[in-house]
This record gives sequence, structure tokens and C-alpha cells, in this order.
Amino acid sequence: AQSVTQPDIHITVSEGASLELRCNYSYGATPYLFWYVQSPGQGLQLLLKYFSGDTLVQGIKGFEAEFKRSQSSFNLRKPSVHWSDAAEYFCAVGAQDTGFQKLVFGTGTRLLVSP
Amino acid sequence: EAQVTQNPRYLITVTGKKLTVTCSQNMNHEYMSWYRQDPGLGLRQIYYSMNVEVTDKGDVPEGYKVSRKEKRNFPLILESPSPNQTSLYFCASSRKQSGELFFGEGSRLTVL
Repeated sequence: AQSVTQPDIHITVSEGASLELRCNYSYGATPYLFWYVQSPGQGLQLLLKYFSGDTLVQGIKGFEAEFKRSQSSFNLRKPSVHWSDAAEYFCAVGAQDTGFQKLVFGTGTRLLVSP
Repeated sequence: EAQVTQNPRYLITVTGKKLTVTCSQNMNHEYMSWYRQDPGLGLRQIYYSMNVEVTDKGDVPEGYKVSRKEKRNFPLILESPSPNQTSLYFCASSRKQSGELFFGEGSRLTVL
């Protein structure tokens, strides 16, 4: 069965500092991986996705993620955090045979940005 | 504007009183799905639909029904709500095989 683990419930980062959010997955076949962001009071928005190819994926808002098969990880990074990045971030894994409709989400990491 | 619209956004109801949360998308997406979000549990899928008249159970379908009679609409029905269905509900849609879900703004449901 697919599963996603986000080990950090909360992370606080100073504005301008770098950010890394951790995501580990468990999946028997080729994983299709996603990062979504949820701003307060909003629905989720796709930041980036990994299907195949280059293991370093660029996304919107200056985010990137690196797929490491040997570590079963798909960590999200940003070199310099802005106050507007404060939100909850969800990692997810999906299967192509269901058109990526059966996404399994992690429990989320809430990012707090301090001045 | 491309969007997924859910109604109502907020609802307080009582145990056993049937309710429907509507979901409509204007992007001509083939796929639609419902999730519930609970603290510490993340998002869990309730039902999904890959085509009109085709629906499948997600991870937590008990107590819910859905229908997909039209491509744009995917209502979530709670026939007899119970307090454990108090949650934040999200509808999402996507193009076939894209993996990019577009979410509504959520419907916060409280069952007393």
C-alpha cells in the first residue's frame, strides 16, 4: 500500500533563510510524487510534481524538490523563504493506473516564517 | 475564471439530517474527487470519479454517497450525518492523467 510520511508537523524558519521540508514515501512501483501548498482558508495548490526524468524538479514560487529513490524521499526546498510562504505543505504519492486520482497525502507540515 | 466551486462553505447541522454539498467545475475536467481534512490526519479521499456515471470509493467512503450525472458536477451526499463526519471537505478536479488537482475552497461541516 502507498503511504507518505512527513515527519515534521511544524517548522519555523526566519525570513530569508533556506527551507527544506521532508517527505518519505512507501510505494511498490514507480512513484509519482507531488507537493501541494495550502494557504490559510484556501484549498490546495500544486507546487510541483515528479513523474520521471531529472530527479531535481522545479516548481512554482521558487520551490524545487529532489527525488532520491535510494532514500525513498522527495524533499521540498527553497533557498530564501518569504513571509508569504507561511502555509501548510502536503506531499502526496499517486498511481498512473488510476489517472493519479487516488492520491495518498501525508499529514502535512505547517511552515511558520519569523521576521 | 477557472475554478472549482463548493457550496455551502460552512454548515452546522444535526445528526441524521440529510445534506448535500455541491461541487461544480468550469474547466471541462474529466476527473473529480472528494477529500476530507482532519487535524493530524491530512487529506483522505472519500470518492473519486474518472468519467460521467463512473464513481469509485476512496479510502474513507463509509457514510457518504456521490453521483456524477454531468461532467461538471460531483455532489457529496451525507444521508444520515453523524458527529464523526464533522470535518473540512474539499472537492477537486483534474484533467485526465495530469496529476494536477484543482481544489475548491473547502466546506466546513459541523454535525451536532
